[in-house]
Amino acid sequence: AQSVTQPDIHITVSEGASLELRCNYSYGATPYLFWYVQSPGQGLQLLLKYFSGDTLVQGIKGFEAEFKRSQSSFNLRKPSVHWSDAAEYFCAVGTGTASKLTFGTGTRLQVTL
Amino acid sequence: EAGVVQSPRYKIIEKKQPVAFWCNPISGHNTLYWYRQNLGQGPELLIRYENEEAVDDSQLPKDRFSAERLKGVDSTLKIQPAELGDSAVYLCASSLGGGTTDTQYFGPGTRLTVL
Repeated sequence: AQSVTQPDIHITVSEGASLELRCNYSYGATPYLFWYVQSPGQGLQLLLKYFSGDTLVQGIKGFEAEFKRSQSSFNLRKPSVHWSDAAEYFCAVGTGTASKLTFGTGTRLQVTL
Repeated sequence: EAGVVQSPRYKIIEKKQPVAFWCNPISGHNTLYWYRQNLGQGPELLIRYENEEAVDDSQLPKDRFSAERLKGVDSTLKIQPAELGDSAVYLCASSLGGGTTDTQYFGPGTRLTVL
């Protein structure tokens, strides 16, 4: 069965600093990959997704992610973090179909001013 | 365009009481999902509907949980009776349906507290 690992439970960065959130998956073939963000008391908002093609994916709010098959990773990056980016970030994997997603346990991002 | 609507947003009940959650998906979305999100965890799928048919309910605890999607639009998830371990956020999501690259859009969730 597929699995998703987000190694960092909690990350703190200063406003204006760069950000990288890690996501590793376990699956034999190329998965469908997603990053969602969840603000306190809110549902999940889609940041970006990868299905095929260019391995560098651009999303909303200035986020991007890169699919690296050799490392089974799909790390999320942002060059300059804003205080409003403080939230919980979830990586999700769909295997064979995007209709059945396995989510990681999330990474909580704290932004200091 | 309106997003996925869920109600209530919060619910506090005593154990052994019944509870129901309602979801209205994005207009035109044929696929509807119910997830449970425990504290500090990612969402886990409970059930997926394609139109009115439940096509994946393998993770739904059928002894106490039930769901329905009448007319292929709105859906209700019910727990009867609730247990302490059911405290969680219940998320509804929807997608267009019909393809392997379907993208899911989530509602704000219902936070259930069982006392």
